[in-house]
Amino acid sequence: DGGITQSPKYLFRKEGQNVTLSCEQNLNHDAMYWYRQDPGQGLRLIYYSQIVNDFQKGDIAEGYSVSREKKESFPLTVTSAQKNPTAFYLCASSRGQGTQETQYFGPGTRLLVL
Amino acid sequence: QKEVEQDPGPLSVPEGAIVSLNCTYSNSAFQYFMWYRQYSRKGPELLMYTYSSGNKEDGRFTAQVDKSSKYISLFIRDSQPSDSATYLCAMSSTLTSNTGKLIFGQGTTLQVKP
Repeated sequence: DGGITQSPKYLFRKEGQNVTLSCEQNLNHDAMYWYRQDPGQGLRLIYYSQIVNDFQKGDIAEGYSVSREKKESFPLTVTSAQKNPTAFYLCASSRGQGTQETQYFGPGTRLLVL
Repeated sequence: QKEVEQDPGPLSVPEGAIVSLNCTYSNSAFQYFMWYRQYSRKGPELLMYTYSSGNKEDGRFTAQVDKSSKYISLFIRDSQPSDSATYLCAMSSTLTSNTGKLIFGQGTTLQVKP
């Protein structure tokens, strides 16, 4: 089955701790995205990557970091600098740059602060 | 003012009703319009995709774009309890389409009562 997987489903963070959210896709998509979803605010773009070894900041990148070492993987680290990390995090992918491609979403990771 | 405005609801209708979901936007450069459906605690899934103005129909769903009014709609005919979800509109322009960036509305929560 082709698709996007995110893990874990739930993640708990302690004060001052960095945590990493996993996103993997086997759709052979070039582009990948990370969004944050808060109640009543829709989806806000954190980071995106159009190709391996390259990524750009989205609208709310502060307190987050990413890497794109492999085409199929785009992990997101929520650092201790992110003061309000409690949210639903969604990873998405699309075929690539230069055209308007549909984005396909993973099942999401819910991050909670202890 | 947000680039895309969507009434968050909640919207409650009886089974079999016709549902109208709407988004307004301010950026006249938007040309690609999407509707996503998101069930509780799940990732969004693409329902409809339209380019520029006009109507598009898929089963019980019709997407309508009125670029002159900067207004898009999703109509659901013969609504079912299984349609109960949050509906997100999303859009992009030819400028942003090269990056794949989408601008999302806040989402409208729909409940269809049996």
